[in-house]
Amino acid sequence: NAGVMQNPRHLVRRRGQEARLRCSPMKGHSHVYWYRQLPEEGLKFMVYLQKENIIDESGMPKERFSAEFPKEGPSILRIQQVVRGDSAAYFCASSITGTQGGYTFGSGTRLTVV
Amino acid sequence: KQEVTQIPAALSVPEGENLVLNCSFTDSAIYNLQWFRQDPGKGLTSLLLIQSSQREQTSGRLNASLDKSSGRSTLYIAASQPGDSATYLCAVRPETGNQFYFGTGTSLTVIP
Repeated sequence: NAGVMQNPRHLVRRRGQEARLRCSPMKGHSHVYWYRQLPEEGLKFMVYLQKENIIDESGMPKERFSAEFPKEGPSILRIQQVVRGDSAAYFCASSITGTQGGYTFGSGTRLTVV
Repeated sequence: KQEVTQIPAALSVPEGENLVLNCSFTDSAIYNLQWFRQDPGKGLTSLLLIQSSQREQTSGRLNASLDKSSGRSTLYIAASQPGDSATYLCAVRPETGNQFYFGTGTSLTVIP
């Protein structure tokens, strides 16, 4: 029973390029959360999605960032026109329910913008 | 807004010692609290999940307690081992809202 799968594990982009981060939740989990961990900082919430719906994007920067969780396939976090400040570890978590359960995290994608 | 604080930021102990990690949160209206372990360059591994109605949870050498009214949780690690060396994160889920709020963690080093 595979856990939360994130790919790629490491991603290097030049300034101005696009970054696409993928997350496949655990089997049976329909709630997906994205968090960002900046160097020397704690994890910060970005967005919460269910299949085909964005439930809460209050932590997402207003520009350049978007997320989706289509009916089929993984959840995608997309960062357009990346800047150096986007360099961070991006973690995806999934849960069976949106409230009672805890999270299961993926191993993260480490984005480096050069 | 919920604020989560973890003390100490770093801790170094000799192998075999029992130790306590602390987590405090500012808003006691929480749904649950989860302790995680993060190894360098890796993802988060869930250790224990405590619902707001519970006082403690145990798994092996780990015991987590929750005092919701005072906004505190502790993670007790018995008979520490070098393999316990990692960063330990506390995360709180408020009664309202969709996210966990994380502390910045305690970096634990267990010296052989």
